[in-house]
Amino acid sequence: ELKVEQNPLFLSMQEGKNYTIYCNYSTTSDRLYWYRQDPGKSLESLFVLLSNGAVKQEGRLMASLDTKARLSTLHITAAVHDLSATYFCAVDSLNTGTASKLTFGTGTRLQVTL
Amino acid sequence: NAGVTQTPKFQVLKTGQSMTLQCAQDMNHEYMSWYRQDPGMGLRLIHYSVGAGITDQGEVPNGYNVSRSTTEDFPLRLLSAAPSQTSVYFCASNRGRSLMNTEAFFGQGTRLTVV
Repeated sequence: ELKVEQNPLFLSMQEGKNYTIYCNYSTTSDRLYWYRQDPGKSLESLFVLLSNGAVKQEGRLMASLDTKARLSTLHITAAVHDLSATYFCAVDSLNTGTASKLTFGTGTRLQVTL
Repeated sequence: NAGVTQTPKFQVLKTGQSMTLQCAQDMNHEYMSWYRQDPGMGLRLIHYSVGAGITDQGEVPNGYNVSRSTTEDFPLRLLSAAPSQTSVYFCASNRGRSLMNTEAFFGQGTRLTVV
């Protein structure tokens, strides 16, 4: 059974600081997705990582994938308040690239303070 | 372009009642899925469909039925609601096998309370 673990579960950080969220998963997969969720809202796709060594960046967020270590990271650079949200990683259980059967981590609630 | 549309947004049911959560997408996506989100547990897959007429179970299928008669619609039926089914339900769709390596797009969610 595929298990996906995120840490930390909660992260309070000051504006301007850097931090990394970790996502570990238990079985072979080379397709991993990162989503953002604001309170009471739906999930917004951030990154699609499709192969070992994949790195993608959007603004202050950068995601990477190491399939050998079964680890993905979401790095936050110089955090701003607008980044406050819950971040989920999800692994494609079928490993087919169709994102039809995702296993999610429990989420990391990020709070950026002044 | 509406994307993935879920109705209703909120619903309160009594234990034992049945209801159908509606999900429709207008992106001609092949694959559709239903997830539930509970506090501290992330999202868990209930059922998914890889095309019209084809469905399969996810991680937590008990108490739920689905069918996929058209590409656009993927309703989720609660047969006899229980308090344990109190949750937020998300429908998702993605382009599927015809275009590999795609992310799933999510609807706005249905917040269901069973009393």
